Amino acid sequence: DADVTQTPRNRITKTGKRIMLECSQTKGHDRMYWYRQDPGLGLRLIYYSFDVKDINKGEISDGYSVSRQAQAKFSLSLESAIPNQTALYFCATSDSDRAGGEKLFFGSGTQLSVL
Amino acid sequence: RKEVEQDPGPFNVPEGATVAFNCTYSNSASQSFFWYRQDCRKEPKLLMSVYSSGNEDGRFTAQLNRASQYISLLIRDSKLSDSATYLCVVIPFSGGYNKLIFGAGTRLAVHP
Repeated sequence: DADVTQTPRNRITKTGKRIMLECSQTKGHDRMYWYRQDPGLGLRLIYYSFDVKDINKGEISDGYSVSRQAQAKFSLSLESAIPNQTALYFCATSDSDRAGGEKLFFGSGTQLSVL
Repeated sequence: RKEVEQDPGPFNVPEGATVAFNCTYSNSASQSFFWYRQDCRKEPKLLMSVYSSGNEDGRFTAQLNRASQYISLLIRDSKLSDSATYLCVVIPFSGGYNKLIFGAGTRLAVHP
């Protein structure tokens, strides 16, 4: 079984719909993240959470919200989906590298298409 | 100017070739550097960290040039299985959470 599991793997929805992407992990990491990836762009951070009570906005949080239901679960919601939110979404966890920095472990991604 | 820039490629090389990618970063105070590998439509996976003195892992060598603000990845004796996109990751010092900055990736295609 994957250490970081995302559901669904693919989703097609219509403009204006509310969508939830779910992520669960068995790595025991405290830190969890949501990224989106668009062609020709690097991964961009949407939200991150260092523990259940610590949730922070990333660089592109507008139009998104998150919920950290437990240490192992971190869900991403699109309140009212729009076509430019069509992207590949990744959940990730991390365990700090003692040498400095963060090593990320990613889920397999959710391809979201908003029509 | 983007914070992290990579040549998108693709780099098309034959098996057995040596290939190198560079990645430039704009923040001179950047602290940590990594290379991730991403197969088509799959999740990125950590390939290797990049240390100041340079480091090697089998056929892969990573180097950091702080003066010119770039990191490099050298792959020797390329295999078909090396075909992937290689993502450069930089962590600038921010005094708080060390946010990772991803490059858009360099695509490598190794052919027989």
